[in-house]
Amino acid sequence: QKEVEQNSGPLSVPEGAIASLNCTYSDRGSQSFFWYRQYSGKSPELIMSIYSNGDKEDGRFTAQLNKASQYVSLLIRDSQPSDSATYLCAVNSGSARQLTFGSGTQLTVLP
Amino acid sequence: SAVISQKPSRDICQRGTSLTIQCQVDSQVTMMFWYRQQPGQSLTLIATANQGSEATYESGFVIDKFPISRPNLTFSTLTVSNMSPEDSSIYLCSAEGQGLNEQYFGPGTRLTVT
Repeated sequence: QKEVEQNSGPLSVPEGAIASLNCTYSDRGSQSFFWYRQYSGKSPELIMSIYSNGDKEDGRFTAQLNKASQYVSLLIRDSQPSDSATYLCAVNSGSARQLTFGSGTQLTVLP
Repeated sequence: SAVISQKPSRDICQRGTSLTIQCQVDSQVTMMFWYRQQPGQSLTLIATANQGSEATYESGFVIDKFPISRPNLTFSTLTVSNMSPEDSSIYLCSAEGQGLNEQYFGPGTRLTVT
């Protein structure tokens, strides 16, 4: 059973702080790693994809991947109340193109 | 990214009936996916729908309960058959994007079975 684990939270940070979201996965053959943001009552929105070890930055978001440790994280700098949402980590299953989703981390940014 | 629409956005259905959910993509895609998201939970993959072949179902989901059609490269349907209250959930379709294994989601269908 391929698994993706996330801290369930909830996670609260003050406005302007860095929010750190973590995810581990069990399948060493996974090649693609994604972070989705899901606002309450809405569908998931892809915000970051990462395929290689290291950091990938996009605006206030930085994804970090460590395949040796089977660990992927998302940092949100200068957090804003509008970042309050559930963040889902998703990983592909080896050579298959299906994604396995973690349970999500609920983030609240306090004004 | 692909723009995906779903119909209906929500429905309330009686036990024992069936509902067909439609998913339309604004560009041609090889792979489409159907997920279920129960309240407060994450996404569970129901099946993968490739154009021109039978859908591939995940463990715990069967074709008789969730028949899927994929008549062309921009459209798919999921039917929830012989519904029970346990089928109450949000059903989401997704389509592959340009990036490796990327998926983009439609707005979802909120189903309530009474």
